[in-house]
Amino acid sequence: AQTVTQSQPEMSVQEAETVTLSCTYDTSESDYYLFWYKQPPSRQMILVIRQEAYKQQNATENRFSVNFQKAAKSFSLKISDSQLGDAAMYFCAYSYDKIIFGKGTRLHILP
Amino acid sequence: KAGVTQTPRYLIKTRGQQVTLSCSPISGHRSVSWYQQTPGQGLQFLFEYFSETQRNKGNFPGRFSGRQFSNSRSEMNVSTLELGDSALYLCASSLAVSSSYNEQFFGPGTRLTVL
Repeated sequence: AQTVTQSQPEMSVQEAETVTLSCTYDTSESDYYLFWYKQPPSRQMILVIRQEAYKQQNATENRFSVNFQKAAKSFSLKISDSQLGDAAMYFCAYSYDKIIFGKGTRLHILP
Repeated sequence: KAGVTQTPRYLIKTRGQQVTLSCSPISGHRSVSWYQQTPGQGLQFLFEYFSETQRNKGNFPGRFSGRQFSNSRSEMNVSTLELGDSALYLCASSLAVSSSYNEQFFGPGTRLTVL
């Protein structure tokens, strides 16, 4: 069965610093999609970044980038120049026929 | 363009009752998915609808059901409520047939409390 593991329930980073959130998953499929979603305290989830498994190039969206290691089944999210608005719960998700979310990492930004 | 809306935002029920939650997707989106979010289990997929047909279903008991109307609005129903059904229920809409690879747009959720 597919699983998604986020080993860091909570993390803190100083404003303007860089932080990396970890995610590993388990699957026997070769073509799938990976996502990072952000859920701010207001509760509305939004997509941060998406990666297609068949693409070797790591996805990047402004200050957000991923390190996708397909063989290791690892999909970490790097946030550069952290801002106060980045404080949220971050969910890693794997999708093949249906989407599976990790339990989330709560990120605190220290001013 | 208006986002995904969910009603009601908060709901308090007692054990044994049933509840219906509503979700209106973004205009033009025909795929709607439902999720249950709890502190212990995280986000769990309930089901997905496209063009009034259930395309996928998670591992939830038959007490959880849903449907989608011709205007893409969706409802989910939980019968014979249990204390463990207390959760935030999130609805998400997507433009494509499958939300498996497309960005999903989430609503604010319905907070259900079962007493």
